[in-house]
Order: sequence, then C-alpha cells, then structure tokens
Amino acid sequence: DIQMTQTPSSMPASLGERVTISCRASQGISNYLNWYQQKPDGTIKPLIYYTSNLQSGVPSRFSGSGSGTDYSLTISSLEPEDFAMYYCQQYDSSPWTFGGGTKLELK
Amino acid sequence: EVQLVESGGGLVQPGRSLKLSCAASGFTFSNYGMHWIRQAPTKGLEWVASISPSGGSTYYRDSVKGRFTISRDNAKSTLYLQMDSLRSEDTATYYCATRITTTSFDYWGQGVMVTVSS
Repeated sequence: DIQMTQTPSSMPASLGERVTISCRASQGISNYLNWYQQKPDGTIKPLIYYTSNLQSGVPSRFSGSGSGTDYSLTISSLEPEDFAMYYCQQYDSSPWTFGGGTKLELK
Repeated sequence: EVQLVESGGGLVQPGRSLKLSCAASGFTFSNYGMHWIRQAPTKGLEWVASISPSGGSTYYRDSVKGRFTISRDNAKSTLYLQMDSLRSEDTATYYCATRITTTSFDYWGQGVMVTVSS
C-alpha cells in the first residue's frame, strides 16, 4: 500500500495568515492526489483534485501543487471557516489511501 | 442536488452482523461507481470498498475481505454494505461517497456510526 504522510499534524494559525500543508507519498503517485476538508461535525468537502484543480465552488484562496512524491495544499489568507481538518488522498494505485490529517487551529 | 444518506448503523457485539444502506438522489445512480470510506474515532479516513456502476465488479481493502460485502440496487438508487464477523477495529463512522464530476470523491454522505463492543 502507498503510505501518505501529512505534515504537520496540527497547525496553529491566525486569520489572514498564509499556510501550507504538506503530503508525502511513499512512492511516486503521478499527480493522482486529492485534498479534502472535514469540519468538526464530520462533514467532508472535496477541495482539490489531480494535485492542483479546484473543485467547483471552492474559493480561490485554496491552491494545490506538487509532483512525484511531494504535494502541498496552500491557503493564501485564512478565513474563519477554514479552521478544520485537511486530508490528502492518493488514487494512483489501490487501495486508495489517505494521509493522517492536519488540524488547522486558530492561534 | 446530489444527496447521499446513510442509515443502519448502531451498537453491535463482536462477531455479529450489520447492514448499512446509502440512499442516493439527485444523479443517475446507475451510471457511477460507489464507495464506502470509514473513519475510526479520532483517526483518519480509510477506504473500505468500491463497486462498479453495474455492480459487476467489487473491490475491498484486505482487512475486510471475506467479511464485508458491498452491493447496490440501481432500481432503488441504494448502496449497501453487509458487514459480518464484526471486530472492535471496525468501529468507525462509515461514509458513502461517489465520484461524479472529478477524479476525487466529490460527494459524501453525512456518515453513520458503527460501534462494535460487547
């Protein structure tokens, strides 16, 4: 199985701050990488697909990049609704696997 | 509007069975693969099983092979997960999800909790 390692596991940040979450795969995944946001009530929202493509309705302050084994999600200026859990997910090979998550907390 | 609504969760003893359902609406159910993804308490997300649009192909993670069965009723627009020989490590919130417009799981249900405990 491809292991996905997210760093950091938690990140205190302030409103308006620019933040970057990293995701490293145990082997190359050819950009087959998605990002999701999970709110405390359990609701899961897709953010980015195929490394850098924004899902419909997702604000442009979210962006994704990367290649090979290393990927990242950047939020350019934090809004109150952005404080949540974030997960990366690879779909290069089965079983599809997720990162352990990054909790974005208000500093 | 796409909606996925899970049901059937609850408390069950180890070794017993439980069947989850996911009622879909707002899209042509029979055209899309469907998936179950779970999240153990305070843990991350874990893909469990997938089924092709026709139901002819199914896929499972190793830890549930031979114990879980994914199925679908396209006439009822409903996805199922039959869970047998349940273990404590199956305790989780189970989400159904699909991929309609992109290569990610772009629609998710609200999740249903399954607790395996004596």
